[in-house]
Amino acid sequence: QTVVTQEPSLTVSPGGTVTLTCASSTGAVTSGYYPNWFQQKPGQAPRALIYNTSTKHPWTPARFSGSLIGGKAALTLSGVQPEDEAEYYCLLYYGGAQPNMLFGGGTKLTVL
Amino acid sequence: EVQLVESGGGLVKPGGSLRLSCAVSGITFRNAWMNWVRQAPGKGLEWLGRIKSKTDGGTTEYAAPVKGRFTISRDDSKNTLYLQMNSLKTEDTAMYYCITGGFDYWGQGTLVTVSS
Repeated sequence: QTVVTQEPSLTVSPGGTVTLTCASSTGAVTSGYYPNWFQQKPGQAPRALIYNTSTKHPWTPARFSGSLIGGKAALTLSGVQPEDEAEYYCLLYYGGAQPNMLFGGGTKLTVL
Repeated sequence: EVQLVESGGGLVKPGGSLRLSCAVSGITFRNAWMNWVRQAPGKGLEWLGRIKSKTDGGTTEYAAPVKGRFTISRDDSKNTLYLQMNSLKTEDTAMYYCITGGFDYWGQGTLVTVSS
């Protein structure tokens, strides 16, 4: 059974920089997994931030960026704002005969 | 403005059925691939399945936990996406979201509670 793993929680100071990662139990994450990143605040639906590893949506703040680091998908927040405190989820696409998409377990980001 | 509005959630007994709807506006629905995702209370997100546009074959794909119990369909004349859920289990209790194919636009969700 394939598992997508994220850090359960991270803490960052306002104005700081933090990187969240997304790993696959099948091996290195590549652009072929089309990594997506989402932000979810309490009581709200998730909001899309990044698709295809590093492409931002029109509404995505410039301080968010996506990349591949060390065989994982990564979401970096530079100049963190208090309103960035949220749960962040990654999504990976697994192709093949039976396509499947898997979310990571989520990272709770605290801005303190 | 793109809008996705889910409906049809509620309380259902184990073994029962429920059909969720998602009314879509602001995009050319007939050309859109669509997804369903759910989130159990206090838990993470789970992809359930997707349906392609009819021009791309209109085929469906499902996650293993729901394959054979859940069916995704669409009515392009009504700009509406459906999720038929059968043989419901207590572990199907969740908020159910419909989402556009690129996961860019999400509805606000509809809550399904499976309990006796």
